[in-house]
Amino acid sequence: EADIYQTPRYLVIGTGKKITLECSQTMGHDKMYWYQQDPGMELHLIHYSYGVNSTEKGDLSSESTVSRIRTEHFPLTLESARPSHTSQYLCASSGDSETQYFGPGTRLLVL
Amino acid sequence: SQQGEEDPQALSIQEGENATMNCSYKTSINNLQWYRQNSGRGLVHLILIRSNEREKHSGRLRVTLDTSKKSSSLLITASRAADTASYFCATDAGSNYQLIWGAGTKLIIKP
Repeated sequence: EADIYQTPRYLVIGTGKKITLECSQTMGHDKMYWYQQDPGMELHLIHYSYGVNSTEKGDLSSESTVSRIRTEHFPLTLESARPSHTSQYLCASSGDSETQYFGPGTRLLVL
Repeated sequence: SQQGEEDPQALSIQEGENATMNCSYKTSINNLQWYRQNSGRGLVHLILIRSNEREKHSGRLRVTLDTSKKSSSLLITASRAADTASYFCATDAGSNYQLIWGAGTKLIIKP
């Protein structure tokens, strides 16, 4: 089991609300990632970070933002949730190797 | 952008049989990885094969890589009910540890 945690696991929220999805890892990994995955589909990279104070947007256009103030913490924020944001959000981290370690995911439903 | 394409999209076999999944990709790669995702969960790394390797084994898993055909296969021998999951290939084409993912093969093992 990887030491990477995501909260909440499930979230149902109304349109227009601000939400923050939490991701923490205890492996001391420099690199962290946020992916969006619709059921049965491929993963799309929405944000990544190579270390503290480093954040970049991924291939998938996203209205979310991230921050990396501490090595172990990489939260993702949606300022105004919309039904189109309904999806599963996966956080991952990697160290010196190419292997990525994933959290259990957050399933988001925006009504 | 989607790099990998898995084939088949879904596979249903009897417990004890072997399962083979294929992955094709478009650009030159440094390595290719296979991950497993149980329903509604995060992904778990299975095996990594580098561009200069042709075959790799790990327990009941055997991975092959043909860089001339830009394809890889994952063989699971003596399948078990616990192998029921989606299997994704991911390629690493650059030096920034970003992975590009296929859409996955959904494997169902019937008891």
